Amino acid sequence: GAVVSQHPSRVICKSGTSVKIECRSLDFQATTMFWYRQFPKQSLMLMATSNEGSKATYEQGVEKDKFLINHASLTLSTLTVTSAHPEDSSFYICSATPGTSGGTIYNEQFFGPGTRLTVL
Amino acid sequence: AQKITQTQPGMFVQEKEAVTLDCTYDTSDPSYGLFWYKQPSSGEMIFLIYQGSYDQQNATEGRYSLNFQKARKSANLVISASQLGDSAMYFCAMSPMDSNYQLIWGAGTKLIIKP
Repeated sequence: GAVVSQHPSRVICKSGTSVKIECRSLDFQATTMFWYRQFPKQSLMLMATSNEGSKATYEQGVEKDKFLINHASLTLSTLTVTSAHPEDSSFYICSATPGTSGGTIYNEQFFGPGTRLTVL
Repeated sequence: AQKITQTQPGMFVQEKEAVTLDCTYDTSDPSYGLFWYKQPSSGEMIFLIYQGSYDQQNATEGRYSLNFQKARKSANLVISASQLGDSAMYFCAMSPMDSNYQLIWGAGTKLIIKP
């Protein structure tokens, strides 16, 4: 099956620093990648959708200057949390889809293992 | 509005019993896909099963089956012969055909299997 890696799996940082999270599709080309945020005991909240080579589309209420997303290639997307604060502490999950060109189930997303961010 | 509803925030089930997790959906799109994911305490999202809106038969994957009732807009997940390792959060999700591959998520059900 399709594999998506996410790095780092866990990060602890001081308030005011920036944190970069990488999401890679290892064995397929991802036309679209998604970034989610998940608070404890809650569902996934879509933050943004990114297509390779174009600007990310952010969901309402998500600060694009706070959460910088770069989808530089068909296998890599990065999320940078700029000037992180304690309220940014959360579980961040990326997913990727090959689109209709390679997927066996239309609209199937393959998920990374997640990154747990703790801002002190 | 497109929406997924999971009405069971938590469930306790005895090991080896079957369990049904409820999911209802709302969409006006004629084409859509329905997914179930399992999320253990480690946080990873594990794909379980998929049902397409035009599929005539209910999907099955090992111990997982999806009870798809299109007229009632329900897509319940049935887990047969539950195991302790089935304890996790379970999310139902829907992807309308023209959604740019986005998934609409339910609130989830926390399933705990008792020994």
